[in-house]
Amino acid sequence: EIVLTQSPATLSLSPGERATLSCRASQSINNYLAWYQQKPGQAPRLLIYDASNRATGIPARFSGSGSGTDFTLTISSLEPEDFAVYYCQQRGTFGPGTKVDI
Amino acid sequence: DVKLLESGGGLVQPGGSLRLSCEASGFVFSAYAMTWVRQAPGKGLQWVSGISASGNTIDYADSVKGRFTISRDKSTNTMFLHMNNLRAEDTAVYYCAKVGWNTMIRGGFDHWGQGTLVTVSS
Repeated sequence: EIVLTQSPATLSLSPGERATLSCRASQSINNYLAWYQQKPGQAPRLLIYDASNRATGIPARFSGSGSGTDFTLTISSLEPEDFAVYYCQQRGTFGPGTKVDI
Repeated sequence: DVKLLESGGGLVQPGGSLRLSCEASGFVFSAYAMTWVRQAPGKGLQWVSGISASGNTIDYADSVKGRFTISRDKSTNTMFLHMNNLRAEDTAVYYCAKVGWNTMIRGGFDHWGQGTLVTVSS
């Protein structure tokens, strides 16, 4: 069973700063990794699929990279609406999440 | 527009049963895999079960295997989750989601419903 580890658990940044979130898989997952954003009281929203493809309607400030076991979600310049929890996922496994707060 | 509408949640006693439904519209239902994801209060996301576009491939999380059954009905564009022998730890918001591919291998979960709350308590 694949385990996904996310770091850091919490990322404290200011609007305009760059956010770099990490997701590490316990074994190679062939780039089939997705990233989600979730705000309180809302359903998750798909940001990135297959490691580096932005989902429909996702702003260009969100980008995904990586392959094999190490993946990164980058938010180039944080907007106020980007402060949320971010999860990575591969098939039936979610990471524990990274909270991006002010 | 893709729409996913869950229903069937509620309060149930331990050992009881519930059936969740997810009514889909706005896309070719038979072409995409579907999945259930849950979130316990204050916790992270937990995948529950998934079903391929054809219905031939079904997977469950170990925590629900043998108690939950996923199915889909292409005539009504609806996915179901039959939950038996419910436990307190099954208490969560249950989301249905569309997969961006015909199996769960890739594509991410690209559209989500609003969720339905299941509370297991005596």
